[in-house]
Amino acid sequence: EAQVTQNPRYLITVTGKKLTVTCSQNMNHEYMSWYRQDPGLGLRQIYYSMNVEVTDKGDVPEGYKVSRKEKRNFPLILESPSPNQTSLYFCASTQTSGVTDTQYFGPGTRLTVL
Amino acid sequence: GQSLEQPSEVTAVEGAIVQINCTYQTSGFYGLSWYQQHDGGAPTFLSYNALDGLEETGRFSSFLSRSDSYGYLLLQELQMKDSASYFCVRTGGFKTIFGAGTRLFVKA
Repeated sequence: EAQVTQNPRYLITVTGKKLTVTCSQNMNHEYMSWYRQDPGLGLRQIYYSMNVEVTDKGDVPEGYKVSRKEKRNFPLILESPSPNQTSLYFCASTQTSGVTDTQYFGPGTRLTVL
Repeated sequence: GQSLEQPSEVTAVEGAIVQINCTYQTSGFYGLSWYQQHDGGAPTFLSYNALDGLEETGRFSSFLSRSDSYGYLLLQELQMKDSASYFCVRTGGFKTIFGAGTRLFVKA
């Protein structure tokens, strides 16, 4: 089954404790992206990756890091989480075709930073 | 700017037709997508317009006018299960910008 998986689904942590949210896709997509979703703001892009070893900042990259060492994996790293990073996080992947631009989203990770 | 504007809420009755509008202000615009998100779920793709005109997919249609920087999502024969949030999404190159979303309430 074609899918995007994220782990963990729920995480409660404390300020300053480094954490990683994993994202993996099995569709051989080149493009992957991380978003955060906050009430009333829709989804905001944090980072995206066009292919292995190629990443770039989205609209809200401060406080986050990413890496893309393999095509299928795109982890999101919070080196020193702060309470304003409490949010719902989504990973997505797409194989842009020039005709459609379908992004496939993971189930989401709800992060609470105390 | 790269913002998108869409209404925050729309209410309609079962069986009706509803239109959710989206205006965008952006440079480097490539296309407009629409996504649906139910409470507690992930966004799922509905439709995409790169060219002006209407795209139809079952009960859902999407329209784009590049000259007016305007698009809409049309939902026909509304069902209770269509109660969800709907996002217009601007795509251009590799950056993706989501609108804040329109919450659709379908009443019996």
